Amino acid sequence: GAGVSQSPSNKVTEKGKDVELRCDPISGHTALYWYRQSLGQGLEFLIYFQGNSAPDKSGLPSDRFSAERTGGSVSTLTIQRTQQEDSAVYLCASSLKGLAGGMFFGPGTRLTVL
Amino acid sequence: KQEVTQIPAALSVPEGENLVLNCSFTDSAIYNLQWFRQDPGKGLTSLLLIQSSQREQTSGRLNASLDKSSGRSTLYIAASQPGDSATYLCAVSSLTQGGSEKLVFGKGTKLTVNP
Repeated sequence: GAGVSQSPSNKVTEKGKDVELRCDPISGHTALYWYRQSLGQGLEFLIYFQGNSAPDKSGLPSDRFSAERTGGSVSTLTIQRTQQEDSAVYLCASSLKGLAGGMFFGPGTRLTVL
Repeated sequence: KQEVTQIPAALSVPEGENLVLNCSFTDSAIYNLQWFRQDPGKGLTSLLLIQSSQREQTSGRLNASLDKSSGRSTLYIAASQPGDSATYLCAVSSLTQGGSEKLVFGKGTKLTVNP
């Protein structure tokens, strides 16, 4: 596709359940980012993948959060034992290489934890 | 720690008016600055990217300026239209605790252009 795609667009889950969010970056983009946007808050950096390098996980809020990127393309963000405070829009972005060429965002996944 | 502030938080103007959105950042050691637009329930659309060596960028009715030394950027929108109504986000490149590049975002300015 021409842009970054994310699925699902909406996810409602019960507290304590695990969820997986998927991101397909722009073809050829080696850098992939996950951000979280909570109601009334700015975007919060979560994790960064660059090529085959070890990911930068310094933004993950707790060990319930993890992410992987398979084959240098598709990425999955997993949240285990979800809590109500995890409710937010999770945005994925990709860039050609780092930030020099700008960052391109997907439409996001709106997660609601009941 | 890099912090980005956008003023005002919300702005309502009549159609046709020229307007300026402001962004300030605390650490001038940035690689670039990017302005985004976010429509309700949607992702972010990149509007303008200014490299640290540049002073401004223009795209159509939009002009963004960057004063890196003072930590400020402005987004100028000429002849505003109702379709410009959205939240405008400013973001600057910064380093994560892990040493990677990331964008640090302001909380945005919600713009409403009234017909």
